[in-house]
Amino acid sequence: GAVVSQHPSWVICKSGTSVKIECRSLDFQATTMFWYRQFPKQSLMLMATSNEGSKATYEQGVEKDKFLINHASLTLSTLTVTSAHPEDSSFYICSAFTGQLNNSPLHFGNGTRLTVT
Amino acid sequence: GQSLEQPSEVTAVEGAIVQINCTYQTSGFYGLSWYQQHDGGAPTFLSYNALDGLEETGRFSSFLSRSDSYGYLLLQELQMKDSASYFCAVRESKNGGSQGNLIFGKGTKLSVKP
Repeated sequence: GAVVSQHPSWVICKSGTSVKIECRSLDFQATTMFWYRQFPKQSLMLMATSNEGSKATYEQGVEKDKFLINHASLTLSTLTVTSAHPEDSSFYICSAFTGQLNNSPLHFGNGTRLTVT
Repeated sequence: GQSLEQPSEVTAVEGAIVQINCTYQTSGFYGLSWYQQHDGGAPTFLSYNALDGLEETGRFSSFLSRSDSYGYLLLQELQMKDSASYFCAVRESKNGGSQGNLIFGKGTKLSVKP
């Protein structure tokens, strides 16, 4: 069964509005979660690392004021796309490692397909 | 920085064997992983190699040669449902330690034909 739950699975919003995406770890605590973005026919690109109880770490080129990340508990991280524009339309996926060892797999949520009109 | 190279597309027929290669450049190495992603879906973990050699899991096997910075995913007895994108990935390394997040290759789109 799924170990990472992501909601919603798809969303359509108007340009200028904000969208919140939730990512929950099931049956385990995730002090760190990762947010990826994937454009059509492209690879997964890390946007930011979400750390429980502290500020997220953003990758170069990702606007922290546009993509707000909150990791308020050990099982929940949220990504809010503020003032969304059509170029933000993409597949957003959260993920977490279930273990501390280097060989523990990264588990992904089912992703959120965002379409901004 | 770190980078991974893999073929963009591979086509094979049902029942065949296909090998997807991956070469990588990393400042530190914490193992090579493989993920499968069907169109519209999220990636799912397939395998992980930390040491040289072959790891077998059912129809799928993964190989690693650290001296060559090279690995591959081998898919046997191909089925139509194996049509998907396959990504190799390494853990990011900063300041000599593993930071946890994965860096992905650009993916190989496998098409299995009848």
